[in-house]
Amino acid sequence: ELKVEQNPLFLSMQEGKNYTIYCNYSTTSDRLYWYRQDPGKSLESLFVLLSNGAVKQEGRLMASLDTKARLSTLHITAAVHDLSATYFCAVITGTASKLTFGTGTRLQVTL
Amino acid sequence: AAGVIQSPRHLIKEKRETATLKCYPIPRHDTVYWYQQGPGQDPQFLISFYEKMQSDKGSIPDRFSAQQFSDYHSELNMSSLELGDSALYFCASSSLSRVSAFFGQGTRLTVV
Repeated sequence: ELKVEQNPLFLSMQEGKNYTIYCNYSTTSDRLYWYRQDPGKSLESLFVLLSNGAVKQEGRLMASLDTKARLSTLHITAAVHDLSATYFCAVITGTASKLTFGTGTRLQVTL
Repeated sequence: AAGVIQSPRHLIKEKRETATLKCYPIPRHDTVYWYQQGPGQDPQFLISFYEKMQSDKGSIPDRFSAQQFSDYHSELNMSSLELGDSALYFCASSSLSRVSAFFGQGTRLTVV
């Protein structure tokens, strides 16, 4: 059974600082997604990573994928308060019939 | 651009009642996923459909059933509701290429 783990589960960081969220998964996967969720809201698609070595950047967020290590990272550069949210990674397997979510990382950026 | 539409947005039901949640996927998307998310939890997969056929099943109680119709919209039917069914229910859709999966705004179900 595919397992997806994120760490840390909770992250409190000051504005202007950098940090990385890690996502490990247990079996071979075709693609990996990163989502952002604000409290009580929907899941907003941030990145889709399709191949080994893929790197995507949007604003202060950068995601990468290492399929051999079964690891994805979400790097936050110079955090701002607006980035406060819960970030989920999700993995889809070859059968592509479901997304399996990680445990989520609740990010709190303090002024 | 059209997004995934879910209705209703909010629903309050009493124990043992039934509820029907609807999901309208993005046009030309052929796959629909249903997820349940409790407070502070990650989304839990319930069931998915591809081309109107069930493609995978997760931790969906026997009291729940779902289907995808000819127009690709999907409905999640929940019977004999329990207090523990209170949660956010999300629907997502994707296309055959599954390059991306987009989520609807969710239905907040409260069972009292």
